[in-house]
Amino acid sequence: KAGVTQTPRYLIKTRGQQVTLSCSPISGHRSVSWYQQTPGQGLQFLFEYFSETQRNKGNFPGRFSGRQFSNSRSEMNVSTLELGDSALYLCASSTGTSGRGPLYFGPGTRLLVL
Amino acid sequence: GNSVTQMEGPVTLSEEAFLTINCTYTATGYPSLFWYVQYPGEGLQLLLKATKADDKGSNKGFEATYRKETTSFHLEKGSVQVSDSAVYFCALSEGNNAGNMLTFGGGTRLMVKP
Repeated sequence: KAGVTQTPRYLIKTRGQQVTLSCSPISGHRSVSWYQQTPGQGLQFLFEYFSETQRNKGNFPGRFSGRQFSNSRSEMNVSTLELGDSALYLCASSTGTSGRGPLYFGPGTRLLVL
Repeated sequence: GNSVTQMEGPVTLSEEAFLTINCTYTATGYPSLFWYVQYPGEGLQLLLKATKADDKGSNKGFEATYRKETTSFHLEKGSVQVSDSAVYFCALSEGNNAGNMLTFGGGTRLMVKP
């Protein structure tokens, strides 16, 4: 099976712009989660989607949003980019939402905001 | 809220040395516990997990035991290899309504010298 794929892998934007990141989960996985990884804050949960519905949201401002499509692919959007949004954004998929199963992570999208 | 505390790195060992990376947690209820590993330039990979007290997770020579009385999930390996050099993350999941939301520790960088 193909793993979790994320596009693009690298992105450079300027402050004030918006960005959309894409994630394709492992085939058959219906849960997609997003995490932000920075040197200062570490790994932080952004949100989780299951069957096109947002199940949980982390403590991030409303500029961060996401959605999931009927084929389980997910996108996250960050509007009005700030310098502090520079990070590695990781997507993870799972079969269910019990919290006991493993998450399978993609390689991430590295976003640099100038 | 939930939290995970890991020993700070980097941890530098010689090949074939014994490894311990400490992890303690604070959580309500009965979380599942995980160790993930991140190799340079890659996303996270699940190393092992334990879903209830006294469970021992093991994989690739790594082990960790879920100790509810000490709220700990320390990672151990009897003989490390250069290829084990990576960043290791301890994480917990409450499950239930929290779904697949993971709370991560800060990560511990392991460097193994030949």
